[in-house]
Amino acid sequence: AQRVTQPEKLLSVFKGAPVELKCNYSYSGSPELFWYVQYSRQRLQLLLRHISRESIKGFTADLNKGETSFHLKKPFAQEEDSAMYYCALQGGKLIFGQGTELSVKP
Amino acid sequence: DAGVTQSPTHLIKTRGQQVTLRCSPISGHKSVSWYQQVLGQGPQFIFQYYEKEERGRGNFPDRFSARQFPNYSSELNVNALLLGDSALYLCASSLGETEGEKLFFGSGTQLSVL
Repeated sequence: AQRVTQPEKLLSVFKGAPVELKCNYSYSGSPELFWYVQYSRQRLQLLLRHISRESIKGFTADLNKGETSFHLKKPFAQEEDSAMYYCALQGGKLIFGQGTELSVKP
Repeated sequence: DAGVTQSPTHLIKTRGQQVTLRCSPISGHKSVSWYQQVLGQGPQFIFQYYEKEERGRGNFPDRFSARQFPNYSSELNVNALLLGDSALYLCASSLGETEGEKLFFGSGTQLSVL
């Protein structure tokens, strides 16, 4: 079954600390994975996708097929990073995880 | 630059009623997808339409239906509303239908079923 799991509902860190939002997936084929973000009072928007191998707003994510993971990382969190983060898997349809709320405290 | 627009923004219905939600994609986008987001959960795929044809359907009952018009706008209909249909309904558009297409989301319609 295709599934995306984000084990943490809430992640709270201090400004300047490293942050890692976990995402594990279950998919039989070759997955295409994304991170979407929703800032307060804004629309859900694409943050990054693994095929682009890009860094957006200092965030990176590496696809680990052996561990079936696609964790989102940032070395130094900023207060403006506070938001809901959703990991998503494209397997015929876009399947979202339950989301992790990131709170960056001053 | 108009993004994806959805109407209405909020809606209150009673059990058994029917509801129609509307979505206008970004100009030039030919694919529209619908998602249901229950409080505390991630969005769940309902339908995808591309060039006015259904391209995908999620695990939702037949009470849910949708269509896409020649101008690529879309409607989502839900019949015989249940309390459990209360959710935020999101519409997303993309240029094409291929996997990995970047999705642009609307602000959603908040449906409350009493």
